Amino acid sequence: DAKTTQPPSMDCAEGRAANLPCNHSTISGNEYVYWYRQIHSQGPQYIIHGLKNNETNEMASLIITEDRKSSTLILPHATLRDTAVYYCIVRRHYGGSQGNLIFGKGTKLSVKP
Amino acid sequence: SAVISQKPSRDICQRGTSLTIQCQVDSQVTMMFWYRQQPGQSLTLIATANQGSEATYESGFVIDKFPISRPNLTFSTLTVSNMSPEDSSIYLCSVGSNSGRAGEQYFGPGTRLTVT
Repeated sequence: DAKTTQPPSMDCAEGRAANLPCNHSTISGNEYVYWYRQIHSQGPQYIIHGLKNNETNEMASLIITEDRKSSTLILPHATLRDTAVYYCIVRRHYGGSQGNLIFGKGTKLSVKP
Repeated sequence: SAVISQKPSRDICQRGTSLTIQCQVDSQVTMMFWYRQQPGQSLTLIATANQGSEATYESGFVIDKFPISRPNLTFSTLTVSNMSPEDSSIYLCSVGSNSGRAGEQYFGPGTRLTVT
């Protein structure tokens, strides 16, 4: 599975959009981009995933560049409860070692009032 | 998404003892997974537990140290055996999505283990 690179930390003002970048320049054609977050003292929470088209759900939007070498997770109106470590993970959709989500260090997002 | 509970939520144990962590899911799932999160670190997969078969362990983890049971489709246990302070971590179970999407997993709240 491809490796990802994320900034170690970011700040965002409450009510503003939080844009979290992720580089995955070695992504292969059958690999998806997944995002998780881990709020302090909780287990990770699945947020969204995508292949090449932009995706949106009730939690966030995922923008993937045309060459698929990077992506951005967007929280449109960040709240204090969005303060968490955000992980970008690249892996195949099916098959392989399903359990092996390779969590990097992620981005610690701090939403400030 | 599945609702997952773990017991105990935290424990303090003496070195040399063993602790069994339980993971209960509110629906039947094919695959369950156990992860470890050492202090200040990210998550590392310990093993994959399928019902009716032996667990599959990742490199660096062995069955004698982390025996796993998976008696049915809603329950699993992880035992941390002969504990040392280096085993102090958060242990999390997760389940795969029934859609079969490999990257979509749902995690329990974790068990915070401190070994003294």
